[in-house]
Amino acid sequence: GDSVTQTEGLVTVTEGLPVKLNCTYQTTYLTIAFFWYVQYLNEAPQVLLKSSTDNKRTEHQGFHATLHKSSSSFHLQKSSAQLSDSALYYCALRENTGYQNFYFGKGTSLTVIP
Amino acid sequence: GPKVLQIPSHQIIDMGQMVTLNCDPVSNHLYFYWYKQILGQQMEFLVNFYNGKVMEKSKLFKDQFSVERPDGSYFTLKIQPTALEDSAVYFCASSPDWGGSYEQYFGPGTRLTVL
Repeated sequence: GDSVTQTEGLVTVTEGLPVKLNCTYQTTYLTIAFFWYVQYLNEAPQVLLKSSTDNKRTEHQGFHATLHKSSSSFHLQKSSAQLSDSALYYCALRENTGYQNFYFGKGTSLTVIP
Repeated sequence: GPKVLQIPSHQIIDMGQMVTLNCDPVSNHLYFYWYKQILGQQMEFLVNFYNGKVMEKSKLFKDQFSVERPDGSYFTLKIQPTALEDSAVYFCASSPDWGGSYEQYFGPGTRLTVL
């Protein structure tokens, strides 16, 4: 079955510095889409970015990610982290099958410090 | 944007009792999901539901768990009987018919405390 790997459980970065959250995946089906979700404290996860096009950069709220099917990756990056970016980030993929399964990584907790 | 509602927001219950968590998904969505998040931990998939059937479930979806959506009403997660380890926040999510890069929309969660 499909799986999503987020190698870092905890990431701490200083405000103003760049941040990169890693996401790699494994799929046996024709996966239709990839997502980054963000979950702020005591809130529901919400989609931050999504992509289904290989090698195309997607941007939102200062974050960007590029799907690279050749390396099975969809890393999330930001050039200048803000204190308000502190949250839990999930990478996810959605299968193109009748089951419509979403596979989430274990999540990366990002803490931005002054 | 589209909203998923969950009722109640908090539920406290004694171990061994039954509890039903209610989810009001986005009106035109067809796929429904439950996730479990223990305090301070990552969110974990429980079950995927479509056209009145469980499509896939994880090992966390114990025999004491059941889901249904009778006649287009609430999508419910029932736990009978509850156990202490069921204490968590349960998120409901829904997504439209397949095709395109549709994401899941999550509700605000129900915090379940089993005493």
